[in-house]
Order: sequence, then structure tokens, then C-alpha cells
Amino acid sequence: AQSVTQLDSQVPVFEEAPVELRCNYSSSVSVYLFWYVQYPNQGLQLLLKYLSGSTLVESINGFEAEFNKSQTSFHLRKPSVHISDTAEYFCAVVPYFGNEKLTFGTGTRLTIIP
Amino acid sequence: ETGVTQSPTHLIKTRGQQVTLRCSSQSGHNTVSWYQQALGQGPQFIFQYYREEENGRGNFPPRFSGLQFPNYSSELNVNALELDDSALYLCASSKTGLNVYEQYFGPGTRLTVT
Repeated sequence: AQSVTQLDSQVPVFEEAPVELRCNYSSSVSVYLFWYVQYPNQGLQLLLKYLSGSTLVESINGFEAEFNKSQTSFHLRKPSVHISDTAEYFCAVVPYFGNEKLTFGTGTRLTIIP
Repeated sequence: ETGVTQSPTHLIKTRGQQVTLRCSSQSGHNTVSWYQQALGQGPQFIFQYYREEENGRGNFPPRFSGLQFPNYSSELNVNALELDDSALYLCASSKTGLNVYEQYFGPGTRLTVT
């Protein structure tokens, strides 16, 4: 079984400041890792994913996440946030094998302060 | 390319009633997964359908059931509604056999049980 922990339920950040959203996971098998973003009153959108290869992955809108196997973490970072980044962010994992069941964390609400 | 669509957008039901939610998968996708997202929580896996058969189930009672049709669209049925069933129900489609871990979500159906 897998579990995902997002310790910060809410993160307020000033516009143009850097941000880090933390994600730790637990799994007895190898997993793929994902960050999804949910804007108000919308479904989930895939932000970025780690499948294999370089442990640093980037999204098209400036976010990046680094897979750290020893610390079982996949923290999300952005060097300079914008008002449009206000949303709920979910970290998720899926095992290499078996059905494609995503296990999500409880989410982090990112609020950008003008 | 048509994305994942869900209907209805919102629904209000009374405790004890039955409800059917619908999902059309993204073009070319053959697998549909359903998730329940309670207020302030991350999505929880309900079940997944592949080739019209259930292919994995989360920790939900039998009154949650589903169907997948030959065109890969899907229904989620919930019988004997309870107040705790109030949530956003998300459908996600993917293509088993190719990038199976990439699931694309619809906008969701918000169910309120009174």
C-alpha cells in the first residue's frame, strides 16, 4: 500500500517570492510520482511527473520538483510565484505495477498575496 | 482532441436515493477511474474500469458500482445515498499499455446529499 503526506495544508506567499510545497510518500514498491493542480471549482490538471531518469523535473509554467529516493520526498518548488498560481496542489503516487490507482495527499492550498 | 467530460455538473439528492454520474473518456483512452473528493481532502480511489470490467477497487462499499461501455464511457452508480457521500466525484481516463500512469481528469460532478 502507498501513502502520501503533505504536511502543509495552507501556504501563503507574497507575489514574486519563492515557494516550496512539501510531499513525502511511503510505499513498499517502486512508484511514479505526480503533482496535480486544482484551480477553484475545477478538476485536476497534471502539473508534472517523475517516471525515471533525471530526478529533477520541470513544468511549462516554471514549477519544478525533485525526487529524493533516500528521503522519499518529491517537493514542489517555484522561484517566483504569480497571482495565477493560487490553487490547491496535490501530490500523488502510483505503483510501477498493478492497476493505475493514484494515491493522493490531502493537498496544499497555495495563496498568493499581492 | 476531446478531453474528459462529466455530467451533470451539480446534483442534489436526498438521503436514501440513488444517483448515476456519467463520464466520457478522452479520445483514444480505454481505461476509466473514478475518485471521490470530500471537502478539504485529496481524491480517494473508488474503482477503475478496463475493457468493460472492474479492474481494481478502493475501500468503498458495494453500493458504489459502475459500468464501462464499448465506447469506453463510464457510469458511477451510488445506491442508498448517505450524507457522507456529499463530495466532488472525479472521473479520469488513461490508455492502458501506453503511459498508463498518466490519468486525465474531468471537471467533476459535485453531489450534495441532504
